[in-house]
Amino acid sequence: GIQVEQSPPDLILQEGANSTLRCNFSDSVNNLQWFHQNPWGQLINLFYIPSGTKQNGRLSATTVATERYSLLYISSSQTTDSGVYFCAVYTDKLIFGTGTRLQVFP
Amino acid sequence: DTAVSQTPKYLVTQMGNDKSIKCEQNLGHDTMYWYKQDSKKFLKIMFSYNNKELIINETVPNRFSPKSPDKAHLNLHINSLELGDSAVYFCASGRTALGYGYTFGSGTRLTVV
Repeated sequence: GIQVEQSPPDLILQEGANSTLRCNFSDSVNNLQWFHQNPWGQLINLFYIPSGTKQNGRLSATTVATERYSLLYISSSQTTDSGVYFCAVYTDKLIFGTGTRLQVFP
Repeated sequence: DTAVSQTPKYLVTQMGNDKSIKCEQNLGHDTMYWYKQDSKKFLKIMFSYNNKELIINETVPNRFSPKSPDKAHLNLHINSLELGDSAVYFCASGRTALGYGYTFGSGTRLTVV
């Protein structure tokens, strides 16, 4: 099956810093998504980004499907950005990546 | 008007007991899922139902039995609970034709003691 690896596994930032999270997948996909799991455990869908670039406020995502990776950019991070970020690929089910745990300190 | 609701939110029980977790969605989605999140935060699919029909059954012990009385409900029954079943269980729903736009419930934290 498809393997989905994320890096880095952990990231600690001070408020205001920028960061890039990476998602590598082992096989061609035409459906990639990013999720944020907040500190209370709720999973929120951030982006559906099978290819190209999308932006939503301080967050943007880029997927290069031919090279089997996706990037999530967080600019001017805030403490509310803390949590775990997952990428996921969809075949007949969502297969989640290994996650990046982000902690943003004031 | 919660979109995907799970009950209970927390469940603490002794080894060997049988327990159920309920899930309901009011989004009109045709597919519902159960995911398990372990202590290292890995999220892994367990089951998927489409219009009450089981379509995905990952390698899950047969002590776990999903039941879908209608396409808005997907319950998870667990027999003979073991310590290793302790985890957070998430229900989710989506439209199969889209493959995105999934909505997750808030999770049920199961602790087996």
